[in-house]
Amino acid sequence: NAGVIQTPRHKVTGKGQEATLWCEPISGHSAVFWYRQTIVQGLEFLTYFRNQAPIDDSGMPKERFSAQMPNQSHSTLKIQSTQPQDSAVYLCASSSRQGRGYFGPGTRLTVL
Amino acid sequence: GQQVQQSPASLVLQEGENAELQCNFSTSLNSMQWFYQRPGGSLVSLFYNPSGTKHSGRLTSTTVIKERRSSLHISSSQTTDSGTYLCALERGNTNKVVFGTGTRLQVLP
Repeated sequence: NAGVIQTPRHKVTGKGQEATLWCEPISGHSAVFWYRQTIVQGLEFLTYFRNQAPIDDSGMPKERFSAQMPNQSHSTLKIQSTQPQDSAVYLCASSSRQGRGYFGPGTRLTVL
Repeated sequence: GQQVQQSPASLVLQEGENAELQCNFSTSLNSMQWFYQRPGGSLVSLFYNPSGTKHSGRLTSTTVIKERRSSLHISSSQTTDSGTYLCALERGNTNKVVFGTGTRLQVLP
């Protein structure tokens, strides 16, 4: 079992560019979560899917951020017109119906 | 206000000393989980402990739901235990996981 896979591990973008982050959950897990971690805010919940359906996106910035889960094997988090304040580690987690969460290694996004 | 409070915020130990990390929460929960975050940022699940006490090597987790707290005990600390310890709870009426702000542990040789 490879665990949760996130790509890329590091991404550097210029201000105003688009960034797409990928997450492959553990096979068989029904829930996928996205979090963002910064030194200032700590770990912040962004959004989550259950059985590919979006359940709660209350943590997502309303503009520029979007997440999708087109199939059970991957989810994407897209940030349009990136800003320096978007710089963070973006973590993806998946969990089974029993609830225990497993995190990926994260994508470190740096917006110059 | 902050739903999950962790204490202490930081802790420095000499190798061999014990540590008790606390997590207090103000909301109902479905589950409680403790994570260790390596200095590089990756998260490792230590315990999935909705209630009661669990042991794993030198680590012990105790969750007391009616008192709205969970603790992580590290015995005979080692320098490799250094890092950030996070508790996270899954709220009672949602599937949203809320993290505490973490305890930064440094174990000196």
